[in-house]
Amino acid sequence: SQQGEEDPQALSIQEGENATMNCSYKTSINNLQWYRQNSGRGLVHLILIRSNEREKHSGRLRVTLDTSKKSSSLLITASRAADTASYFCATALYSGNTPLVFGKGTRLSVIA
Amino acid sequence: ETGVTQSPTHLIKTRGQQVTLRCSSQSGHNTVSWYQQALGQGPQFIFQYYREEENGRGNFPPRFSGLQFPNYSSELNVNALELDDSALYLCASSLEQGANGYTFGSGTRLTVV
Repeated sequence: SQQGEEDPQALSIQEGENATMNCSYKTSINNLQWYRQNSGRGLVHLILIRSNEREKHSGRLRVTLDTSKKSSSLLITASRAADTASYFCATALYSGNTPLVFGKGTRLSVIA
Repeated sequence: ETGVTQSPTHLIKTRGQQVTLRCSSQSGHNTVSWYQQALGQGPQFIFQYYREEENGRGNFPPRFSGLQFPNYSSELNVNALELDDSALYLCASSLEQGANGYTFGSGTRLTVV
């Protein structure tokens, strides 16, 4: 079963616009991670946010976490064509000895 | 620092056959996890090895098995292949069971015919 559900399933924007993807999950977590996947290749780790954190930044990426609502969002600012990919949130229930539970992902298309 | 390397990149097998997929973990990482990703879906956890011991398993039958070696590289073995085993198999390594996130390989695309 999948713990996280990303929303929307697909998103198409123009280059330079911001892209926001949301993730909801069902149970308490230790941390939540966002990954990017280009066209059936491996996943690239973007950001890890712990349950006691509310916001993290990495370059053009901003992630928020609301544990009371069991939700997270990923904001990509000033998007580029190279940002076109699928984005997955994954939750880790405990600090160790725990698998990542992925959602089905958001497919982002950035049009030049 | 090397990343995670998986081999082979693509593989075609016949139903009923057996397959072994290999993964070299990132230098310094002692944990390896395997995931199965069907087309259009998110990755599903198969199992995890930590310091050569299996310490977590997802909802996969016993014909999915694995090993982790002293150098922390790993193998995934699948016996009696079924058509539904066709998927992208991803290996991920981490330090201390994923405390700071995982590094994924590019995957092995397995097609069962």
